[in-house]
Amino acid sequence: NAGVTQTPKFQVLKTGQSMTLQCAQDMNHEYMSWYRQDPGMGLRLIHYSVGAGITDQGEVPNGYNVSRSTTEDFPLRLLSAAPSQTSVYFCASSSMYEQYFGPGTRLTVT
Amino acid sequence: GQSLEQPSEVTAVEGAIVQINCTYQTSGFYGLSWYQQHDGGAPTFLSYNGLDGLEETGRFSSFLSRSDSYGYLLLQELQMKDSASYFCAVMDSNQGGKLIFGQGTELSVKP
Repeated sequence: NAGVTQTPKFQVLKTGQSMTLQCAQDMNHEYMSWYRQDPGMGLRLIHYSVGAGITDQGEVPNGYNVSRSTTEDFPLRLLSAAPSQTSVYFCASSSMYEQYFGPGTRLTVT
Repeated sequence: GQSLEQPSEVTAVEGAIVQINCTYQTSGFYGLSWYQQHDGGAPTFLSYNGLDGLEETGRFSSFLSRSDSYGYLLLQELQMKDSASYFCAVMDSNQGGKLIFGQGTELSVKP
């Protein structure tokens, strides 16, 4: 039982490049979320999903897309990276009250 | 929208008791959660309060007053390993994926 896995662990992008952050969970959770965390800050919700085929926006959705074609996977796409998107990205899956977080992806946009 | 307020820093000594407060404003409220995050790590779940009152889990307890839009996390018998950031988070609907976090309280435990 791996829990929530994220790849890659580290990534450096140039401004304007696109990429997909991968997230997978093996706990059969319906709920999944993406957060970003900037230094000394809390976690801000980017997008979330309440089940396969259903996604919704969180607090800071601009510049990011998500899809949920299966229960297990919830990838986050950066369409055209900007320096303001330099952050640590956490994916989480939830059994209603308790969220399980992945180890995070540290993204730098230059 | 939602907003949560918690102190940015708290310092305490080993063996002491510390309380971290959280006040919230939200258009809908389903429950209040607490998470712990060590430097460089992922947040981990500590507790959840859906109803008023105290929930106890070992050395940690969490309290909620829905009428006051207020909750707290109580840490007893502090240990050095409790030095971490603590976040309160509001579940504003019965959609478990939508959790809104406060800015976090950095707890430093001194010997």
